[in-house]
Amino acid sequence: SQELEQSPQSLIVQEGKNLTINCTSSKTLYGLYWYKQKYGEGLIFLMMLQKGGEEKSHEKITAKLDEKKQQSSLHITASQPSHAGIYLCGAPPARNTPLVFGKGTRLSVIA
Amino acid sequence: DAGVIQSPRHEVTEMGQEVTLRCKPISGHNSLFWYRQTMMRGLELLIYFNNNVPIDDSGMPEDRFSAKMPNASFSTLKIQPSEPRDSAVYFCASSLTGASETQYFGPGTRLLVL
Repeated sequence: SQELEQSPQSLIVQEGKNLTINCTSSKTLYGLYWYKQKYGEGLIFLMMLQKGGEEKSHEKITAKLDEKKQQSSLHITASQPSHAGIYLCGAPPARNTPLVFGKGTRLSVIA
Repeated sequence: DAGVIQSPRHEVTEMGQEVTLRCKPISGHNSLFWYRQTMMRGLELLIYFNNNVPIDDSGMPEDRFSAKMPNASFSTLKIQPSEPRDSAVYFCASSLTGASETQYFGPGTRLLVL
């Protein structure tokens, strides 16, 4: 079965610093989803990547999918307290199957 | 749109009691998912419905768990009898058509079984 490994498990950064979160799959990805979760809330969809080499940006968050479609990175530029939360990557193990998720990366942004 | 609606948001119950969690998916969405999230195991898929029909329930842990979707706008997840190890956050999510599409999550139900 497909497993998604996220690194690091947790991250503390100073406000204004850049950071990167990684998501690595044991198999070729059919698509890769990034979500953000705040404590006590549900998951909020951020971005979806499908093609090898694809890159998408939303405000200060950029996600990339490598050419081999087995690894994705999420990069935050000039982090702010509002970026704090848990970031999860998810992917379908096969076509038309529900997503499986990584364990998440807990991000804290300190002033 | 109101998004995915779940109730209750919090539930505290005693071991052995029946627990029913409720979900209203986004209007027009044909797929519905129930997930469970714990610190140890992360986010796990319990069951997936498409057009109100259960497609994959391999994630349902035991016979104590059951899920229904009587119509396109309502689903329940029932635990009977509940046990302390069922304590977790239960999420409902929906997607427009298929299983591999973008899923939109509800706020979750935080369950504590004493």
